[in-house]
Amino acid sequence: DMKVTQMPRYLIKRMGENVLLECGQDMSHETMYWYRQDPGLGLQLIYISYDVDSNSEGDIPKGYRVSRKKREHFSLILDSAKTNQTSVYFCASSPNRGISNERLFFGHGTKLSVL
Amino acid sequence: AQKVTQTQTSISVMEKTTVTMDCVYETQDSSYFLFWYKQTASGEIVFLIRQDSYKKENATVGHYSLNFQKPKSSIGLIITATQIEDSAVYFCAMREGGTGGYKVVFGSGTRLLVSP
Repeated sequence: DMKVTQMPRYLIKRMGENVLLECGQDMSHETMYWYRQDPGLGLQLIYISYDVDSNSEGDIPKGYRVSRKKREHFSLILDSAKTNQTSVYFCASSPNRGISNERLFFGHGTKLSVL
Repeated sequence: AQKVTQTQTSISVMEKTTVTMDCVYETQDSSYFLFWYKQTASGEIVFLIRQDSYKKENATVGHYSLNFQKPKSSIGLIITATQIEDSAVYFCAMREGGTGGYKVVFGSGTRLLVSP
């Protein structure tokens, strides 16, 4: 069906609480991404995963960690969330067929508010 | 390090006109791939068009086309015969080639408003 699904769509947490954002895709894509979007800053790369248990930091990894135990599933974890992590988080995936020109498929985003 | 810059924060045009959105990029790689994505009012991000650095011809898809000026590290998006539904935020993105080439970097976006 070629979908990237993010759960939940909206989340409100208190500062200091742990946060789990989940992402799934049904295309067997090897590569998956987590981005955050803030006004005027575009999409900033948090983490990239090349396959199961093969993760790499992006440009803004501080305060985040990820988990990928199955190819179709990629989680973003915020341990002890901070108010400046309030943002919209997007998950994306792309195939890895030996070339780098594949487009990204995006989920619909998770709007996280940390109070 | 790779970098993508969109200096136009917002553009307003009349329906059925042509608009060009600018994007410049920085990379040390000789092989790279440039993309444009559209984010609709609902927040959905969709892929529009791609340019491979080794191709001289400008990519075209429907009423979207690219103006690829490699010596200037520039990749402009041209939308002809704009429609109301083209109103959205447009992002330029780059992916470097090579063995580490799966990181995708985005610009800050250009908001397009198409008026009747």
